[in-house]
Amino acid sequence: EPEVTQTPSHQVTQMGQEVILRCVPISNHLYFYWYRQILGQKVEFLVSFYNNEISEKSEIFDDQFSVERPDGSNFTLKIRSTKLEDSAMYFCASSPIRGTGNTIYFGEGSWLTVV
Amino acid sequence: DQQVKQNSPSLSVQEGRISILNCDYTNSMFDYFLWYKKYPAEGPTFLISISSIKDKNEDGRFTVFLNKSAKHLSLHIVPSQPGDSAVYFCAASGSAGADGLTFGKGTHLIIQP
Repeated sequence: EPEVTQTPSHQVTQMGQEVILRCVPISNHLYFYWYRQILGQKVEFLVSFYNNEISEKSEIFDDQFSVERPDGSNFTLKIRSTKLEDSAMYFCASSPIRGTGNTIYFGEGSWLTVV
Repeated sequence: DQQVKQNSPSLSVQEGRISILNCDYTNSMFDYFLWYKKYPAEGPTFLISISSIKDKNEDGRFTVFLNKSAKHLSLHIVPSQPGDSAVYFCAASGSAGADGLTFGKGTHLIIQP
């Protein structure tokens, strides 16, 4: 069964450092997403991406964050200067069509710890 | 501002019995609701959904009920099995084609043997 894969599974970084989280969406999917879950909190939408541009973003997705699809297969989330409060599990997701949650497939997550 | 609320952080149910997980929402613009299941160290997995034009959707052991006037939905699992032990997230979408899902905080369901 096709799946969304994410790397790294766990990363520890110092505050102020740049972090890139990588994702390989399911190959025929067109819409890509990043969500995050701070420990003990709810899963929160960050950004959606379609046709090489951001489709929608939440208030959390400020100027410190950026997304890119550099080579047609990878989908990356960059945090320019990490803060302690960026520590969370980051989930990549993809879907063949827009919205309609049952078509959204999530990866296993990348756990980011900022120290 | 919790637009999707799951007020029970955990729920313990005996194997074979019915599990009922509840979810309330405040945003009347939501028109599509979903339940996701999540095991530790895995991403959320879609379970079942319901459109606001319906009040019930059933898929095998899983049934979701929607009460629009009360802004309340529930997930029924019957009979409950040990493999159902997981965190269950309620999520909502604002409109057909809207990108971001709004999740609740989740309910940890524990199925007791």
